[in-house]
Amino acid sequence: KNEVEQSPQNLTAQEGEFITINCSYSVGISALHWLQQHPGGGIVSLFMLSSGKKKHGRLIATINIQEKHSSLHITASHPRDSAVYICAVSSNAGGTSYGKLTFGQGTILTVHP
Amino acid sequence: GAGVSQSPSNKVTEKGKDVELRCDPISGHTALYWYRQSLGQGLEFLIYFQGNSAPDKSGLPSDRFSAERTGGSVSTLTIQRTQQEDSAVYLCASSFPRGALHFGNGTRLTVT
Repeated sequence: KNEVEQSPQNLTAQEGEFITINCSYSVGISALHWLQQHPGGGIVSLFMLSSGKKKHGRLIATINIQEKHSSLHITASHPRDSAVYICAVSSNAGGTSYGKLTFGQGTILTVHP
Repeated sequence: GAGVSQSPSNKVTEKGKDVELRCDPISGHTALYWYRQSLGQGLEFLIYFQGNSAPDKSGLPSDRFSAERTGGSVSTLTIQRTQQEDSAVYLCASSFPRGALHFGNGTRLTVT
């Protein structure tokens, strides 16, 4: 079992729909990152969080430390949101450096007009 | 404001040759990270530099891989005696300590 599991692996939506991508992890963490990668493009950091909830525009990220679970929500989805969304965690296990991120396998999101 | 710059953007090399990949982090960022993304695979940690601390090299897949960071700024990832399985996109990122990561566009390495 991977330390970081994302679901779903693939997600197709119609423009305007509310989207949720889930991330579960099995280790104690110091931070969780949500990243976005467009086809052929670079990686952009969307959120870094260690507790609670963060919002940026139409994007919302939540984390439940006790349940070891995070969600990324996209409200009023748009075709330009089509990308791969990646969850990554920085473990707080002894001897593990902050920068040693463990990545989920990614969720491929396609939003149709 | 320049972002993280990586060079070259593409590199094709013959099996057995050495390659050097360069990363220029954002000015002022003390943390620098190297990851790689193989075709059809997820992202994989390679090495992490933070300030003057000893780097975390635990992700380097073999002793053919090494990295250095000179003057707390530019970093070079060196792969000796390249193998076909080294073909991947090598990504560099930088950040303030324990901050959000800023990624470069990567170097696509193809070993023929």
